[in-house]
Amino acid sequence: NAGVTQTPKFQVLKTGQSMTLQCAQDMNHNSMYWYRQDPGMGLRLIYYSASEGTTDKGEVPNGYNVSRLNKREFSLRLESAAPSQTSVYFCASRFRAVGVNTEAFFGQGTRLTVV
Amino acid sequence: KNEVEQSPQNLTAQEGEFITINCSYSVGISALHWLQQHPGGGIVSLFMLSSGKKKHGRLIATINIQEKHSSLHITASHPRDSAVYICAVYGSNYQLIWGAGTKLIIKP
Repeated sequence: NAGVTQTPKFQVLKTGQSMTLQCAQDMNHNSMYWYRQDPGMGLRLIYYSASEGTTDKGEVPNGYNVSRLNKREFSLRLESAAPSQTSVYFCASRFRAVGVNTEAFFGQGTRLTVV
Repeated sequence: KNEVEQSPQNLTAQEGEFITINCSYSVGISALHWLQQHPGGGIVSLFMLSSGKKKHGRLIATINIQEKHSSLHITASHPRDSAVYICAVYGSNYQLIWGAGTKLIIKP
């Protein structure tokens, strides 16, 4: 049982390059999330997908796009990377329903540096 | 003011000490999450609770809904407990609102 698998673990990009961060979960969770973590700050929500076929902006969506490819996979794309996007990115998933809260499970993180 | 405040931001203690990390929140919540992030970066869920107290090994989490406050305690602390401990709450729209984390260092 792999849980949440996130790739790559590390990436260095030049300003203006594009890349896609991949995330897959095998727990049959309906909700998936992308966060970024910057020094001294809590995790900030970039985008989330409450269920397959839906995506919504979080707190810091500018410069990013997402795709909920199927129930298992939720990818994050940087179309034109900027140094301000240097951060650690986490994917998470959980089961969500009205009146039900369950634990969130996290990928191992992607350390992205934009030079 | 952040909706989720943790204290202290940094904590250094000697092995064996009793550790308390606090989390206060200002929003209505349905549940609260304590998570641990090790120096390698991975995030692991420790507890999710909406009332009372939970215990797992040397870790104890309590929550007081009326006071909007939760504490994470570590008994008989050990250097391997060194990590960042993060409090997050489920707000009214079921999204997680995160604290900034408490960096704990346990010295041998």
